[in-house]
Amino acid sequence: EAGVAQSPRYKIIEKRQSVAFWCNPISGHATLYWYQQILGQGPKLLIQFQNNGVVDDSQLPKDRFSAERLKGVDSTLKIQPAKLEDSAVYLCASSLRGDSYYNEQFFGPGTRLTVL
Amino acid sequence: DQQVKQNSPSLSVQEGRISILNCDYTNSMFDYFLWYKKYPAEGPTFLISISSIKDKNEDGRFTVFLNKSAKHLSLHIVPSQPGDSAVYFCAARGETSGSRLTFGEGTQLTVNP
Repeated sequence: EAGVAQSPRYKIIEKRQSVAFWCNPISGHATLYWYQQILGQGPKLLIQFQNNGVVDDSQLPKDRFSAERLKGVDSTLKIQPAKLEDSAVYLCASSLRGDSYYNEQFFGPGTRLTVL
Repeated sequence: DQQVKQNSPSLSVQEGRISILNCDYTNSMFDYFLWYKKYPAEGPTFLISISSIKDKNEDGRFTVFLNKSAKHLSLHIVPSQPGDSAVYFCAARGETSGSRLTFGEGTQLTVNP
């Protein structure tokens, strides 16, 4: 079974530039998550999709971050404009069903973003 | 507000000995707890979990203990192996937050041969 795919793996941009990350979840997984992991901290949920609908975006900085999952499969996360404090690893995860409390989340390798 | 805390950034043990990783939480609504393991340049992978109705869950070399009154859980690895060297994250969720996981900061475990 193929895992969660993410691209690019690394990205370096200057502040105020825009950047986009892509995620392809495990086939058949209805729920997709984007997490932000700042160095020295644990991952923090930014947004959760159930199919192509948003379930939880309460911790997404909506003034600069946006995400979509138009066809209920792959997803993109965008930052526009980027700030220095956005430097982090952006992790995508998927699970079979987000409404099943005990569903395991499978993580991709992440995209390491450096904002200069 | 750090609701899940792992106070030890790092832990070093000898191969064959026990590794004990600790985690504390403050949110009394948390009722399901998980441990994830992360190697460099990879995403976290699920290791073991425990529901608040239990105080212990065992899977091979890995055992998780939950002390609800102290809001504390620990992960025991016996015996420790060099391949266990990784960052270990404690995570928690509560019914009021759906499937959202709240993670601790992580503990870097190094198992020396």
